[in-house]
Amino acid sequence: DTGVSQNPRHKITKRGQNVTFRCDPISEHNRLYWYRQTLGQGPEFLTYFQNEAQLEKSRLLSDRFSAERPKGSFSTLEIQRTEQGDSAMYLCASTRGQEHEKLFFGSGTQLSVL
Amino acid sequence: TQLLEQSPQFLSIQEGENLTVYCNSSSVFSSLQWYRQEPGEGPVLLVTVVTGGEVKKLKRLTFQFGDARKDSSLHITAAQPGDTGLYLCAGGTYKYIFGTGTRLKVLA
Repeated sequence: DTGVSQNPRHKITKRGQNVTFRCDPISEHNRLYWYRQTLGQGPEFLTYFQNEAQLEKSRLLSDRFSAERPKGSFSTLEIQRTEQGDSAMYLCASTRGQEHEKLFFGSGTQLSVL
Repeated sequence: TQLLEQSPQFLSIQEGENLTVYCNSSSVFSSLQWYRQEPGEGPVLLVTVVTGGEVKKLKRLTFQFGDARKDSSLHITAAQPGDTGLYLCAGGTYKYIFGTGTRLKVLA
């Protein structure tokens, strides 16, 4: 169990640029979640996958956000045409997919949009 | 839309004091989880409560799930500086919604 890995840890970009983050879940975990968190607040749900299928996407997520999990293993989260309001910590978590199971989180990617 | 409100938002106390953090919703949840998060890291699970009225203890931490499964509380006895962190409740079965968070600082 090597844990959930997220890359990069930090990303600084200029407004209008596209950014992509990667998440490698724990190997036997079927479900993968993306959350966004601003300082001192609770994580906000963005989307989650069962294997390669995207089961739900938050209505708060604009069309500039897209996530994929092409082979049911790692996942990517892309933000197009970044805005300053996108600055946040982006967290990835995974589980085996059982009821009430604990989320294993990565250390997150801290995005700063200048 | 399911929402989880936590109170207080901030708490600064002296070592040795007791405290309680609350997590409330107007919605029923099948389970509630409590996490603690350190700066620059992801949240780490403390406990999961599933049954209405359930009480779980983890050393100096006591967790309770409301009878109607709409609320939960976390009580810390004799707080220590190592308890400092962001405490988060989360509700759901497969999709988890997080609360607004309680930032705790325990002063030595």
